[in-house]
Parts: sequence; structure tokens; C-alpha cells
Amino acid sequence: QVHLQESGPGLAKPSETLSLTCTVSGDSISSGDYFWSWIRQPPGKGLEWIGNIYYRGNTFYSPSLKSRVIMSIDASGNQFSLTLTSLTAADTALYYCARVKYYGTGALRGLDPWGQGTLVTVSS
Amino acid sequence: QSVLTQPPSVSAAPGQRVTISCSGSTSNIGDNYVSWYQHFPGTAPKLVIYDNYKRPSGIPDRFSGSKSGTSATLAITGLQTGDEADFYCGTWDTSLLSVVFGGGTKLTVL
Repeated sequence: QVHLQESGPGLAKPSETLSLTCTVSGDSISSGDYFWSWIRQPPGKGLEWIGNIYYRGNTFYSPSLKSRVIMSIDASGNQFSLTLTSLTAADTALYYCARVKYYGTGALRGLDPWGQGTLVTVSS
Repeated sequence: QSVLTQPPSVSAAPGQRVTISCSGSTSNIGDNYVSWYQHFPGTAPKLVIYDNYKRPSGIPDRFSGSKSGTSATLAITGLQTGDEADFYCGTWDTSLLSVVFGGGTKLTVL
């Protein structure tokens, strides 16, 4: 059974950089069969996609976050990471990682499974 | 403002059928597969439909999906109180090269 687990600091300060890691078990990130994704949910709001990454390093980022986002792969650790710079209170959210069924060059078929999420609060 | 449009809420009685709509455009729903997610607050969202109508293993056939043009629909029959959750549609946007979601629909089983 595939399991994803997010980890990172629960609290970050405005203007600082957030780093989150998603550890995958039950599947190999390097298999090439999937992309890997970060999604977030601000309090009381809906899901917001952040970006997808392939094991070779190919990435797709949300246009609204692209200038502040970097995603990376650690194949040896079977992990992928999210770096989000220049934090503001608007980045306070529950951050999820998920595995991406895709077709073609990266189009979405479905996100499955998802991690439980990690809450990040941006506050001074 | 979400790229895909869903009704904020729907409701129906136990045992009844409910549908949730998801409206988009030619660059997203019209050109790509639609997926649906069930989300109980505080838990991991769960994929219930992918490739417009396919159900992952373990999802009961009470859940079904369809797509026509630039709109998609999730239908749930034989409603149970345990189905109460937020539901999101998602797809790929070929112009944005992005995953896009609907704003979510809260299902209430009266």
C-alpha cells in the first residue's frame, strides 16, 4: 500500500522560506510511472494546486506561485520537497502531498493517494 | 476565484441520489480528464473518480462520474450519512499547464 507523509515546521515567519518534505513508502519515486504533487488548503477555503514534479526533475508550477516555488526530488531517500520563499500570512494552510496519475507529458488523470497534510502557520 | 465552478452546497435525504456539477472551459474540462475527490475535514482527500468516470479500487459503484463538453458531473446514489463531506473536481488546464480545482461542494445528507 502506498503511503505519503508530509513533514516540516508548523510555524514560519513572514518573509522567510518554508521547506516541506514528502516521504513516500510502498512505491518508488524513480519508477517513472507517476508525477508527484503539492497541494494546499488555506483555512476555510478550497484546494489550491502548487506544483508537480517528475523523478527526472521536470516540473509544473502554479502560475500564481511560480516565482516563489521550487520543487525537488531526493531519489535515494524516496522523497520530494517543496520550497516556498517570501512567506506571507496568505501562505498559512494545510499542505498536502499526493501521487499523480498522468498521461501524455504530465496532464492529470487523478491524484491518489494523498498524505494526511501538515499545517503551516505563517506568523511573527 | 476557482477556474472550475461548482455549487457551494448540495443536499439530499438518505437513500436518495444527488449530483454535483463542475463547469469549466475548452482548455481544461473540454480537453482533459476530470477527477473527483471526497474530503472529510482533517483527513486526506480521497480520489473517488478519475478519467471522467473510472472508480479506484474500493470506491463503491454508488459513485459515478460523467463528462459532456466543458462540464462534468459526479452522481452519488443511495446516499448515506457517512457520505457527508466536501467534494472537489479537478482537471488539467492545457493553456495554464496546471492542475485546476473547483471551489468545492459541501454535501449534506439530511
